[in-house]
Amino acid sequence: GDSVTQMEGPVTLSEEAFLTINCTYTATGYPSLFWYVQYPGEGLQLLLKATKADDKGSNKGFEATYRKETTSFHLEKGSVQVSDSAVYFCALSPSGSARQLTFGSGTQLTVLP
Amino acid sequence: DAMVIQNPRYQVTQFGKPVTLSCSQTLNHNVMYWYQQKSSQAPKLLFHYYDKDFNNEADTPDNFQSRRPNTSFCFLDIRSPGLGDAAMYLCATSRDPGPKGYTFGSGTRLTVV
Repeated sequence: GDSVTQMEGPVTLSEEAFLTINCTYTATGYPSLFWYVQYPGEGLQLLLKATKADDKGSNKGFEATYRKETTSFHLEKGSVQVSDSAVYFCALSPSGSARQLTFGSGTQLTVLP
Repeated sequence: DAMVIQNPRYQVTQFGKPVTLSCSQTLNHNVMYWYQQKSSQAPKLLFHYYDKDFNNEADTPDNFQSRRPNTSFCFLDIRSPGLGDAAMYLCATSRDPGPKGYTFGSGTRLTVV
């Protein structure tokens, strides 16, 4: 079945450091890929998405590129802020369906001032 | 703003006492989902409604039920909550077919005492 593997956390960075959170997936066909962010005590918010190979999703300074050849969708940000502290989930939706979302285990990010 | 609203944000219930969590949406999405998220884990899909069609996940305990009286509202009923049911419950919506990605509510934190 479909699966998503995320880099284990927690990740602790200093403000303005470069962030990478690795995400790889296993799926048939061409799934859609997502990054969701969850702030403490809150629900999940869609951060960015990509629906086909080589697409780059971007939002709030975060970027991720859909790499079919390496089945990856790594999340990056050039300069993190304290307000970016949250849990980040990589997820996929199988091709042809908007009804099934498979999540990775989540990566806790803490940014220190 | 179009959104997904969950009430209440925090719910305390007694062991074995039925409890209902509610979710409403103004997005007019045809699919609604209930997820259970335990501490430091990824959200786990319990069930979803595709329009009026109920779809239960194979490993969702019978203790969990759901109702969707109309497009806008969906309820999660826990018939006899146990201590292990303490978790964050997340409601989400999507449009199928349509742009991929879910919209999540802020969640209801359930405590069982």
